[in-house]
Amino acid sequence: AIQMTQSPSSLSASVGDRVTITCRASQGIGDDLSWYQQKPGTAPKLLICAASHLESGVPSRFSGSGSGTDFTLTISSLQPEDFASYFCLQDYSYPRTFGQGTKVEIK
Amino acid sequence: QLVESGGGLVQPGGSLRLSCAASGFSISTYWMTWVRQAPGKGLEWVANIDQDGSVTHYVDSGKGRFTVSRDNAKNSLYLQMNVLRDADTAVYFCARDPTPSFRTGDRWNAYDALDMWGQGTMVTVSS
Repeated sequence: AIQMTQSPSSLSASVGDRVTITCRASQGIGDDLSWYQQKPGTAPKLLICAASHLESGVPSRFSGSGSGTDFTLTISSLQPEDFASYFCLQDYSYPRTFGQGTKVEIK
Repeated sequence: QLVESGGGLVQPGGSLRLSCAASGFSISTYWMTWVRQAPGKGLEWVANIDQDGSVTHYVDSGKGRFTVSRDNAKNSLYLQMNVLRDADTAVYFCARDPTPSFRTGDRWNAYDALDMWGQGTMVTVSS
């Protein structure tokens, strides 16, 4: 199975900060990657698919980039509602695999 | 929306059948996926199934123990779990996947995109 390694596992940031989360695949996966946001006690929410395609209704401060093995989720200006955990998911091959997650906390 | 049910407390070696009822849309045109989350842990992809139920895929730890199925007439998805282990303890989510296609160069590629999720149902495996 393809291993997805996210970094950092957690970070502290302030409102207005630019935040970058990375996801590295153990082998090339093209652009077969999506990003999800999850707040405590709730289901995940799709942010981005196909590495860079923003889901309808998701604020434009979220963006995704990368291909091959290295991917990035960027929040250009962190808002109070963005404090949550973020997960990447590869859909290049089965079984699909998630990264271990990145928790974004208030500084 | 998607609403899961069927979770509960079960002894190791036991079985459970989870259900996911959809409303407001027809699941017949979507791949459907199960994802789980152990307490305090990250997300784990469990299984998915194509639109007519002819193609299924499983996480390695679920092969031979889990069976995903669907009844499009009842607008419902299922996960039969047998020979349950302590490690199967988790919240189980069902999710819809419209598998959108995007053009890359001169090719159209389909992608996973879990765009609607249920609230989850808790499965606890313990003696």
